[in-house]
Amino acid sequence: KAGVTQTPRYLIKTRGQQVTLSCSPISGHRSVSWYQQTPGQGLQFLFEYFSETQRNKGNFPGRFSGRQFSNSRSEMNVSTLELGDSALYLCASSGGQGGSGELFFGEGSRLTVL
Amino acid sequence: AQSVAQPEDQVNVAEGNPLTVKCTYSVSGNPYLFWYVQYPNRGLQFLLKYITGDNLVKGSYGFEAEFNKSQTSFHLKKPSALVSDSALYFCAVRDGNTDKLIFGTGTRLQVFP
Repeated sequence: KAGVTQTPRYLIKTRGQQVTLSCSPISGHRSVSWYQQTPGQGLQFLFEYFSETQRNKGNFPGRFSGRQFSNSRSEMNVSTLELGDSALYLCASSGGQGGSGELFFGEGSRLTVL
Repeated sequence: AQSVAQPEDQVNVAEGNPLTVKCTYSVSGNPYLFWYVQYPNRGLQFLLKYITGDNLVKGSYGFEAEFNKSQTSFHLKKPSALVSDSALYFCAVRDGNTDKLIFGTGTRLQVFP
């Protein structure tokens, strides 16, 4: 069974630009969560989607948005990039049962903002 | 609010020695606790979880964790460390209200030959 796939793995943008990251969950998983990982802040929850609906949202500005498609693939978008948005963005999928279910993570998309 | 704390930024241990990575939690209700490992430039890999039952949970790569309700702890352990265990370890708890998985700040484990 293929794991969680994130694209692109690495990207460089400049301030003010926007970026779209993609995540394909494990086949059959309906829940996709996004996290931002930085050395200073650790792992910060961005949002979670389940069956195309946003189920949870973290404390990030409106520049950060996401969506989920009917095939459970998810995208997140960051507009008007700032230097502080440089981070590893991790996507994770699960069966959606919450509670006792663990998350399965992709390798991440490393964004550098210059 | 649910939270986890990893009091040590780094743990150093010699290869062959036992290792412990500490985690304490704060939850209302029954805790769902998890450990993940992250190798350089990789995503997080699931190691083990505690839902209910035995306080000693066994996981991947020879790791185990001990759930202690009275001390609200969920420490990760391994009887004999390997150099290849060197990585970043995260403890996490499921928020019973929102279902979000909340992570600790991580502990870097360094195993020396």
